[in-house]
Parts: sequence; C-alpha cells; structure tokens
Amino acid sequence: GAGVSQSPSNKVTEKGKDVELRCDPISGHTALYWYRQSLGQGLEFLIYFQGNSAPDKSGLPSDRFSAERTGGSVSTLTIQRTQQEDSAVYLCASIWGSSYNEQFFGPGTRLTVL
Amino acid sequence: SQQGEEDPQALSIQEGENATMNCSYKTSINNLQWYRQNSGRGLVHLILIRSNEREKHSGRLRVTLDTSKKSSSLLITASRAADTASYFCATDAFTGGFKTIFGAGTRLFVKA
Repeated sequence: GAGVSQSPSNKVTEKGKDVELRCDPISGHTALYWYRQSLGQGLEFLIYFQGNSAPDKSGLPSDRFSAERTGGSVSTLTIQRTQQEDSAVYLCASIWGSSYNEQFFGPGTRLTVL
Repeated sequence: SQQGEEDPQALSIQEGENATMNCSYKTSINNLQWYRQNSGRGLVHLILIRSNEREKHSGRLRVTLDTSKKSSSLLITASRAADTASYFCATDAFTGGFKTIFGAGTRLFVKA
C-alpha cells in the first residue's frame, strides 16, 4: 500500500518568504509527527498530532512555525518569513495507534532558504 | 539535552565485521526503537524493544535493553557495505506529553 508522502521534495525560497510543506500520512494512521533535521544532525521534534487531541507544539522553534492537520489526515507545516537557519530537511512520520508504536516516515522535504 | 544519545558518533569497519552502537537515555520508557537512515532522507524502522524485554533479534540485528542502566545496544553482525547508513535510537519521553524523541545518531561506514 501507499506509504507516507511529502511534497514538495525540494523547495528553494528567498529569505522572508512563506513556505508550506505537505504531508500525506498512511490512511488510518491516527498520529503524525513533524521533525526537522539539519545536515549531519539528529531529528529535532517539532510537533505531534494524536487523533482529535490538541497537538503538542512544544518543539516549534518560534512563532513563525505552525502546523495543522485537516480531517485527521493531511498535515501542512507552514513557515512564515523564512530565515536561512530554517534550511533543513523536514520529515513527517505517521503512526497507527499510540506514540509508542513504529513510525512510518515520508521521504522528507529539503528546504533551502537563500 | 537529548533523551536518547548514541555512541559512538561515527564508526568505520570492514565488511564482515560486527558493528555495535549504543544508546543511553534519561527518563523511564515504554519502549525503545532503532531506525536506519540512508542519504539524509526518510528513516526506516528496524526494531522495537519493550521495557519488559531484555533482548530481541531480527535477522542480523540484535538489540539489548538494560533499563537499570538506561541503555540499549544495536549489534549488526557480519556487516555489509549496504549497511552503511546512520542509525538512530528513539525513546518515548514525557516532556509535557508523551512523544518519541530521537538521538543524534551513529554514522556507520562499512568498507568493502
């Protein structure tokens, strides 16, 4: 079956512009994570959605970052007024059931802010 | 600070040798997972070990968990060049809510 998909796969933008990154999770998966990974680094937790509960936004680095999950499925991560330090790979993962279970990752979106 | 921290940061071995990577964590966990990442893109789940388990095997992978020492190890036996990748441990942490936290990873390079 289809896995997690993310779009676009690559995004180049100018400093100060807004960007939207999209994640299509596996159908039926109730939980969804967004992570950020800088070159050669580990995964930095950004935000976590679980069912209809309020999302855990504790990892968002600033108020320029926001995310929503519509209809418990597709999620978009929005970065406003992008800065060069926002350049990274943004990874999405979906999970069936609780946060303790295996995460299924998308291929990521590589964001470059010039 | 990281909930899960891998050691070593980088490891270079010859094909056929065994590779051992370690992970330490700070808080109590429900389970610990190991993931593999090629080329800086999506991660692939390798194995999950629950807090009441001490050892688990999957093919050439062997994972151990010592909850008293808050540590886990991933052993890859008879390594192959195709095992070259970054390996991450992930644990559940209660930091304002339960969520999974990844360590910084071990970069493994297997020389043919």
